[in-house]
Amino acid sequence: EDQVTQSPEALRLQEGESSSLNCSYTVSGLRGLFWYRQDPGKGPEFLFTLYSAGEEKEKERLKATLTKKESFLHITAPKPEDSATYLCATKGVYSGGGADGLTFGKGTHLIIQP
Amino acid sequence: DAMVIQNPRYQVTQFGKPVTLSCSQTLNHNVMYWYQQKSSQAPKLLFHYYDKDFNNEADTPDNFQSRRPNTSFCFLDIRSPGLGDAAMYLCATSREGRGAVAKNIQYFGAGTRLSVL
Repeated sequence: EDQVTQSPEALRLQEGESSSLNCSYTVSGLRGLFWYRQDPGKGPEFLFTLYSAGEEKEKERLKATLTKKESFLHITAPKPEDSATYLCATKGVYSGGGADGLTFGKGTHLIIQP
Repeated sequence: DAMVIQNPRYQVTQFGKPVTLSCSQTLNHNVMYWYQQKSSQAPKLLFHYYDKDFNNEADTPDNFQSRRPNTSFCFLDIRSPGLGDAAMYLCATSREGRGAVAKNIQYFGAGTRLSVL
């Protein structure tokens, strides 16, 4: 069974204080690792997809990286509007049902203080 | 803008009273998913439709059912809601191809928050 573990559960930073969020995964035949942002009371918003170890993607202050066992979401000089829960999800070995859902971690609740 | 729309945003029902949640999409995606997310928990896949084919997760209770009358709409029916079914219900869509190369992105709606009294 696929497992996704995110750490820390919560992180409080000062504005401008860079940090990284961790996503460790145990997945048979990884077919994609996804990062989403979720604001309170809203659905997840897609950020990045990574497919193979060594891959990196960037968007504004965010950079996602992938190894064979984990992914990191690096946040550089964050602003208060970056406050949200960041979810990591994986898609594993094809099960034959035509498509597969994502296996999510519980997320990291990030608070950026002005 | 193309998007995934869920209605209602908030739903209050009574213990044991059937309830239906709605999802529509303008992305013309062939796959629609339903996830359940309880407070501070990871979203959990309940089932999905690949075109007209229904795929249930092994641990989804029989109390949960779904209908997809056409490409654009999908419904989640909870036959007899219990207190433990109070959660955020998320609909997602993706465009997938047959076989093992399905890597496409899932786009989520804003969710329906279900309360059971």
